[in-house]
Amino acid sequence: AQKVTQAQTEISVVEKEDVTLDCVYETRDTTYYLFWYKQPPSGELVFLIRRNSFDEQNEISGRYSWNFQKSTSSFNFTITASQVVDSAVYFCALSESSTSYGKLTFGQGTILTVHP
Amino acid sequence: GAGVSQSPSNKVTEKGKDVELRCDPISGHTALYWYRQSLGQGLEFLIYFQGNSAPDKSGLPSDRFSAERTGGSVSTLTIQRTQQEDSAVYLCASSARRSSGRGAGELFFGEGSRLTVL
Repeated sequence: AQKVTQAQTEISVVEKEDVTLDCVYETRDTTYYLFWYKQPPSGELVFLIRRNSFDEQNEISGRYSWNFQKSTSSFNFTITASQVVDSAVYFCALSESSTSYGKLTFGQGTILTVHP
Repeated sequence: GAGVSQSPSNKVTEKGKDVELRCDPISGHTALYWYRQSLGQGLEFLIYFQGNSAPDKSGLPSDRFSAERTGGSVSTLTIQRTQQEDSAVYLCASSARRSSGRGAGELFFGEGSRLTVL
């Protein structure tokens, strides 16, 4: 069965610091999909990124970047120059090829607090 | 509205009562999902509807839980004979069926229905 582990339960940083959220996954499928979602205090989960298992190219979107390493089964998320608005719970998730993209196994989440 | 709408936002009920939670997905989205978020279990998949296909019910925790989707749009999650361990936030999400490209597989979530069973 698939599993997603986010080792950091809580992270606290000061504004403008860089922060990396770790995600390690387990799956027997050779084709799978990895996601990051953000859950702000309002409670509504917001999609950040999807990465296919066959595409190990890293991605940067503004202050956000993602490092996918198949060899270590990791899909880490870095926020550069963090801001107070980045404070939220961040979830890493996995979907296997035999199921819908949206049938996700989530990690336990990392609570990120950015202090001014 | 433009987003996924869920009602009620909060529901307090007594143990043993039945509850219904409603989800109105984004217009045109063919896929609809229910998830449950609780302190002890985190985010768990419950059930998935895709168009007219039979739903994937593999995540429902017991036969007290059921869901239906009428007319390919609105969905209702029903919990019968509620127990205290059913207390959680029930999240609904919808998605457009896209197999590739940026945003493929993106789920749009509602704000959830918080259920408290006394």
